[in-house]
Amino acid sequence: GIQVEQSPPDLILQEGANSTLRCNFSDSVNNLQWFHQNPWGQLINLFYIPSGTKQNGRLSATTVATERYSLLYISSSQTTDSGVYFCAVERYSGAGSYQLTFGKGTKLSVIP
Amino acid sequence: GAGVSQSPSNKVTEKGKDVELRCDPISGHTALYWYRQSLGQGLEFLIYFQGNSAPDKSGLPSDRFSAERTGGSVSTLTIQRTQQEDSAVYLCASSLAAGSSYNEQFFGPGTRLTVL
Repeated sequence: GIQVEQSPPDLILQEGANSTLRCNFSDSVNNLQWFHQNPWGQLINLFYIPSGTKQNGRLSATTVATERYSLLYISSSQTTDSGVYFCAVERYSGAGSYQLTFGKGTKLSVIP
Repeated sequence: GAGVSQSPSNKVTEKGKDVELRCDPISGHTALYWYRQSLGQGLEFLIYFQGNSAPDKSGLPSDRFSAERTGGSVSTLTIQRTQQEDSAVYLCASSLAAGSSYNEQFFGPGTRLTVL
C-alpha cells in the first residue's frame, strides 16, 4: 500500500515563531487532506488540497503532486496551535472506496 | 446538527462482551467511513459505505467486526466478543460523494473503547 511519511515527528516552538511541516507520499493520489487533532481528540479539517497552494489565515498549504509531497506552513504560532497535525492521502482502493491513508503525525507544542 | 456525531463518547466493557458504536453523518453525505486510532497502529481505515452498501470492508481486522448503515444515514459498528486489542478510539467520517472532488472527509469526535 501507499506510504505516508510526516516530518518532523515532534516540534517545539516559541509563541510567534513560524514552522513548516512536511508530508511525503510514495505513489500518486487523488487528493490530500491536512488535519489538526486538538487535545480532546477531534480531527479538524485544515486543507483539502490535491495540488497547488491554499491559504487560510495564518496557515497555508502547498501540494506538489508530481513530486509527491505536501507542506503545511504555520506562521506566528499561538499556543492554541498545539496538537498533532496529520496528513492523509486519498486513493481509490480498488474495492470501491476512496479511503484516507494517514501519516503518523507531527506533534506540535507551542510554548508561551 | 452540523457535524458528524458519534455515541457513546466513551465505552468501557469487559473482555468477551459485544459493543455497538453509533455514527450520525452530516445530512446529505452519501459516503461514510469508519477508522480507528490506536497508539501502536495510528489511524487506520476499517470500512466504507456508499449509501447503505459496504463495497469496501477490507480494513475490518477480523470477523468479530461488522457494520451496517440504514436509510443512507446512521451507521452502527458492532464488535462481538471484544478483546483487549480492540481498545482504541473509533472514528467515523462522512463526505458528500466519494470518487469526486467532493470527497473531503469530516470526522466525528470518536468513541473511546476500553476493553478490560
